[in-house]
Amino acid sequence: AQKITQTQPGMFVQEKEAVTLDCTYDTSDPSYGLFWYKQPSSGEMIFLIYQGSYDQQNATEGRYSLNFQKARKSANLVISASQLGDSAMYFCAMREGAQAGTALIFGKGTTLSVSS
Amino acid sequence: DADVTQTPRNRITKTGKRIMLECSQTKGHDRMYWYRQDPGLGLQLIYYSFDVKDINKGEISDGYSVSRQAQAKFSLSLESAIPNQTALYFCATSDAPGLAGPSSYNEQFFGPGTRLTVL
Repeated sequence: AQKITQTQPGMFVQEKEAVTLDCTYDTSDPSYGLFWYKQPSSGEMIFLIYQGSYDQQNATEGRYSLNFQKARKSANLVISASQLGDSAMYFCAMREGAQAGTALIFGKGTTLSVSS
Repeated sequence: DADVTQTPRNRITKTGKRIMLECSQTKGHDRMYWYRQDPGLGLQLIYYSFDVKDINKGEISDGYSVSRQAQAKFSLSLESAIPNQTALYFCATSDAPGLAGPSSYNEQFFGPGTRLTVL
């Protein structure tokens, strides 16, 4: 079974609108961390935001916020006021359980296209 | 200067050739990782190393080997390259988790990637 599921292969949004990128995860470990990374067409991986499983509040970083619903095992990324430069692939990732090491498990990504 | 560097950035090679991808970091992190990204897929873990003497296989280690020459250097080798190893390869580094374990904030820092094409 997929540990990280991103069900939206592609999303389209107009400039200045908000957009939500979905991510659900599967783990039985009570201790885990959830990450979002942005990958522009140039290929590099850019860290956006992090949510720990014990964090009481949803994470926010500038225009990025994470809608963390623990009971539903979802960690959706919300981008407010989209910009043309937000066009990229977005990956949700999880780190879980000490025995699995601390490598990240990635979803397949969502391509976001922002138009003017 | 970049904290995590990868060489080469692009490489085209032929089936059966041995090739080494190198990764260096100046972040002082103990933990280093090699990931592979295929088109339309997320990153998959090839190998990871928690320190110079600790190397572990990831989910797709077949056909690859690694060497942790120093805390700052982690190399990935393809002993006999094949076309389905054509992919974008990323090196990453991180600190060990804090006392809260995997739930603690612990960003992975990625290198710029190496685009490898095996003909």
